Amino acid sequence: QKEVEQNSGPLSVPEGAIASLNCTYSDRGSQSFFWYRQYSGKSPELIMFIYSNGDKEDGRFTAQLNKASQYVSLLIRDSQPSDSATYLCAVSVSYNTDKLIFGTGTRLQVFP
Amino acid sequence: GAGVSQSPRYKVTKRGQDVALRCDPISGHVSLYWYRQALGQGPEFLTYFNYEAQQDKSGLPNDRFSAERPEGSISTLTIQRTEQRDSAMYRCASSPIEGAGQPQHFGDGTRLSIL
Repeated sequence: QKEVEQNSGPLSVPEGAIASLNCTYSDRGSQSFFWYRQYSGKSPELIMFIYSNGDKEDGRFTAQLNKASQYVSLLIRDSQPSDSATYLCAVSVSYNTDKLIFGTGTRLQVFP
Repeated sequence: GAGVSQSPRYKVTKRGQDVALRCDPISGHVSLYWYRQALGQGPEFLTYFNYEAQQDKSGLPNDRFSAERPEGSISTLTIQRTEQRDSAMYRCASSPIEGAGQPQHFGDGTRLSIL
């Protein structure tokens, strides 16, 4: 079982729709969760982080965390073609290290 | 620039040569991380430093890989006797505060190609 799992996609949504990206993780002790956006050929860009159960909103982005289900998601409202990218989920580990474990990413395509 | 700076951007070398990849973190950032990213995959952890101390090197694939950050700022990742399987994008990230769960900010990476 992979430590952080994401559907590779592509996830295709029309412009203006809500895109829902999902991530599950195996380390029950993980405390910190991150979403990065990576455009093709570019470096990962941090867009959201969440530490507590529930929702965290920032503009068009909402991160949702459910530690009991070991599940974290990213919602993008009013999706734009410029949101087309790969979205990487990253999770901290519970033992004595600061490293992050990344999923393989979900490719999002927003079509006009 | 204000971001994480990596050099060179591209490195092409012959199998068996040693390579040194450099990372200059965001000014004042305490923690520095090295990752490797294969095409279509997420970054894979290699090692990290808090200040000049290497805290975790569990991700280094073998003893041909080493890293240092002698003055707590710039870091160098060295690969000795390179092999074709070492070809990848090597990414550096930094964070302002040490500790698990701090947001990490990535540089543009060094694309390493071993012929």
